[in-house]
Amino acid sequence: DGGITQSPKYLFRKEGQNVTLSCEQNLNHDAMYWYRQDPGQGLRLIYYSQIVNDFQKGDIAEGYSVSREKKESFPLTVTSAQKNPTAFYLCASSTGQGGYMEYSGANVLTFGAGSRLTVL
Amino acid sequence: GQQVMQIPQYQHVQEGEDFTTYCNSSTTLSNIQWYKQRPGGHPVFLIQLVKSGEVKKQKRLTFQFGEAKKNSSLHITATQTTDVGTYFCAAPPRNSGGSNYKLTFGKGTLLTVNP
Repeated sequence: DGGITQSPKYLFRKEGQNVTLSCEQNLNHDAMYWYRQDPGQGLRLIYYSQIVNDFQKGDIAEGYSVSREKKESFPLTVTSAQKNPTAFYLCASSTGQGGYMEYSGANVLTFGAGSRLTVL
Repeated sequence: GQQVMQIPQYQHVQEGEDFTTYCNSSTTLSNIQWYKQRPGGHPVFLIQLVKSGEVKKQKRLTFQFGEAKKNSSLHITATQTTDVGTYFCAAPPRNSGGSNYKLTFGKGTLLTVNP
C-alpha cells in the first residue's frame, strides 16, 4: 500500500544533541513537507520541498535543517539551536501541482503517522 | 502572514447532538481544506472547497464555503463517538495563486462526544 513512513515514532534526546527524523513516501509525490504540532495548536510549517534538490523555509525553520536528495525521502534534522524542540513532528506529501489550482484537488496533503520528540 | 481563526477551540457534546466548527479569515481565500485528526493520530484530509457559496456533504458532515470566501464551516449532524477528534481547516496564503505549498492551518476544534 502507498503511504508515508515516519521513524522513529518516539524519540528522546538530551539537550545539545542533534536528531534526525526520517520520512519516506512511496506515493510518487513531488512535494513533501514537515510540520510541527504542539498541544492545542495547529500545524506549523517548518520546511517544504516542491521537487528533488530544492526546499524552502516555512514559518518556523529556525533550528531545523532538511535535505531532499531523493524524491522519496525528506529527512528533518532538529539541531541543538532549536530552543524548544519537544513536539509532535508530522511529515506530509502531495502531488505538488502548484500554481493556479482553484478547480483541482492538487496539493491535498497525505500525512505520516508522526514522530514524537522529547528533549530531556 | 495569513491567519485563519478557528472556533470554538473545544466542544463537548452528547452523542446525537449536532456540532459545528467555524473557520474565519480577514482576507479572501482561494480555497479551503478540512482535515480530521483522531486522538493520537495524524491529520486526514476530508474535503476541499473552492467555489463561493459551495456546500458539500459527506454523510452526516456538511461543509460550507462563504459567499465572500472568507469563512467556512463544518457541521456534523447527530454526532457519534466515532466523530471524536480535532478538526482543522487549512488555507493557502494570499497572493499564492492558489498554490497550497504553504497551507496555514487553524488551531483546530477538539470534539469530544459523551456516549
